[in-house]
Order: sequence, then C-alpha cells, then structure tokens
Amino acid sequence: QQKVQQSPESLIVPEGGMASLNCTSSDRNVDYFWWYRQHSGKSPKMLMSIFSNGEKEEGRFTVHLNKASLHTSLHIRDSQPSDSALYLCAASRGSGTYQRFGTGTKLQVVP
Amino acid sequence: NSKVIQTPRYLVKGQGQKAKMRCIPEKGHPVVFWYQQNKNNEFKFLINFQNQEVLQQIDMTEKRFSAECPSNSPCSLEIQSSEAGDSALYLCASSWGQGAGNTLYFGEGSRLIVV
Repeated sequence: QQKVQQSPESLIVPEGGMASLNCTSSDRNVDYFWWYRQHSGKSPKMLMSIFSNGEKEEGRFTVHLNKASLHTSLHIRDSQPSDSALYLCAASRGSGTYQRFGTGTKLQVVP
Repeated sequence: NSKVIQTPRYLVKGQGQKAKMRCIPEKGHPVVFWYQQNKNNEFKFLINFQNQEVLQQIDMTEKRFSAECPSNSPCSLEIQSSEAGDSALYLCASSWGQGAGNTLYFGEGSRLIVV
C-alpha cells in the first residue's frame, strides 16, 4: 500500500529555535503535498501546500519540495510554544483521489 | 473555529451497537470526506461524496459502515455493529473538489469509544 512517511515521530525544540520536519511519499504518482497542523483536541488545519519543485515561504513557515525524491520538508523558524502540535503531511495524485496522510510529527516547543 | 460541524463530539457504544455520526460541510463545498484517526494517529480514508454521490470508498466501509449525504440534510456515517477496533476519532472534511489543489477543511471530529 502506498504510504506517506514522516520523521521524526516527535521533536522538542527550544522557544525561538528552528523546527524541521520531513515527509516522503512512496507513491511515484503523487504530485501535491499538504502540511496540516492539529493542536491537541482540535481538528487538523491546513498550514501550507506545495506542488512545484523548490521552496515556498509564508511568515515563519517554509516548505521545500523535491519531486524527484517525493520528499517535502516543513521548517518553522522562531518556534513558539503555540506551535506545539501534531504536524501532518498529506499527499495526493492528481484529480479524482483522496489525500493520504502520514502519522505526523509531534512538535513540542519548550520555553 | 471550524465551519464544518460534526455531532456528537463523543459517543460511547457497546460492542455490537450502532454508532451514528453527522456532519454539516462548509457552505458551498460539494465534496465531503470521512477519515478515521486512531490512537496512533493513523489516518484511514473511509468514503467521500460529491453532492449525494459516492466517489470512493474502501472495503471496510462497504461491509459494516454506511454513509450518506442527502440533499438539504447533514451527511452521516453509521457503523452497523461497533467493534473495539472502531474506537477512534472520526473526522469529516469538506472541500471544493477532490484531488490536487483542494484543501480539506476538517470538523472537530466525533470520538467513538467502544466498550
């Protein structure tokens, strides 16, 4: 079964530090990636999406995509305690398919 | 706050009992998805609809799970005979379309506990 693999499973970073999260798809036909954030007891909310090779930045968040290796990464600079959450990566292939999710990276930002 | 409304937030059922959850998608979104998130944060896609029609569903859904999205009524997901392994958070999401480029907007989920 095609999978979305995320690493690390959990990550602790100091307040103000950089958090780097990784995601790889084993499905060669994937062409779109999303990053969602899920605070404890809340619903997942989309942070960023990317489908082109390269980098996309929005505020403190930067996403990279390497389509050849089907690898995406999310970087959070100047991490805040409010960034503590489960970060989920999802991938889909073109139209007509649902998004497949990884099991997430649990980020904890400590003061 | 989520604009996708799910009810109930929690339900506790005995094994073999029916469990029914409802979802009102975000206004104007024609596509509705149901996912199951277990305690290990594994997301399992169950079924999706475009308007009232089923687009895709997995085998598990075909057997003990039933779902519908009638016009002018909430969508629903029902487990006919609950099993312990069904204990999970059931997330409903809606979007403008399916596949590439279409962000999912999730509700807060219905947490099912099967005792």
